[in-house]
Amino acid sequence: DAGVIQSPRHEVTEMGQEVTLRCKPISGHNSLFWYRQTMMRGLELLIYFNNNVPIDDSGMPEDRFSAKMPNASFSTLKIQPSEPRDSAVYFCASSLADGDNEQFFGPGTRLTVL
Amino acid sequence: AQSVTQPDIHITVSEGASLELRCNYSYGATPYLFWYVQSPGQGLQLLLKYFSGDTLVQGIKGFEAEFKRSQSSFNLRKPSVHWSDAAEYFCAVGEGGRRALTFGSGTRLQVQP
Repeated sequence: DAGVIQSPRHEVTEMGQEVTLRCKPISGHNSLFWYRQTMMRGLELLIYFNNNVPIDDSGMPEDRFSAKMPNASFSTLKIQPSEPRDSAVYFCASSLADGDNEQFFGPGTRLTVL
Repeated sequence: AQSVTQPDIHITVSEGASLELRCNYSYGATPYLFWYVQSPGQGLQLLLKYFSGDTLVQGIKGFEAEFKRSQSSFNLRKPSVHWSDAAEYFCAVGEGGRRALTFGSGTRLQVQP
């Protein structure tokens, strides 16, 4: 079992550039979550999907952030344009929608916006 | 809305000493409760979970946690800490039907030799 796969693991970009983070959930899982972790705000839920449909995006900071899940095995989180305050570690997690809420986390993408 | 409080930001214990990390939650019904551990530069790994049954649950790496409804608590314990337990620990609560979890702010554990 490969677990949740995220790419890239590290991303350094300049302010104003577009950033795309990618996630492949565990096969068979039908819920997918995007989190952001910073020292100041801890672990924040940005958005989650059930069966590829966005259920709650109230944690998405602003319109610069967008997330898609075109199929059950792939999701993206895009930031356009990026700003230095977006620097954080972004985690993707997946779970079974009929399970007990246990979420399996990917290794994260460390984003640095200069 | 549900919330999770981890009152200890940072705890230091000596290797071999016992450990208790505190977690309090706010939720109307019986919650789904979790403890995750995060080593530096890594993602979160599940230590243990509770959603029904025996209120004392056993997890991996020798950890256990006890659900106390009267105190709205789910404290994590380990009788003898190892240096490899140094990490950040997160308590989380879920609502069952709603898939998202609410995480506490985390407790960073340092282990002294």
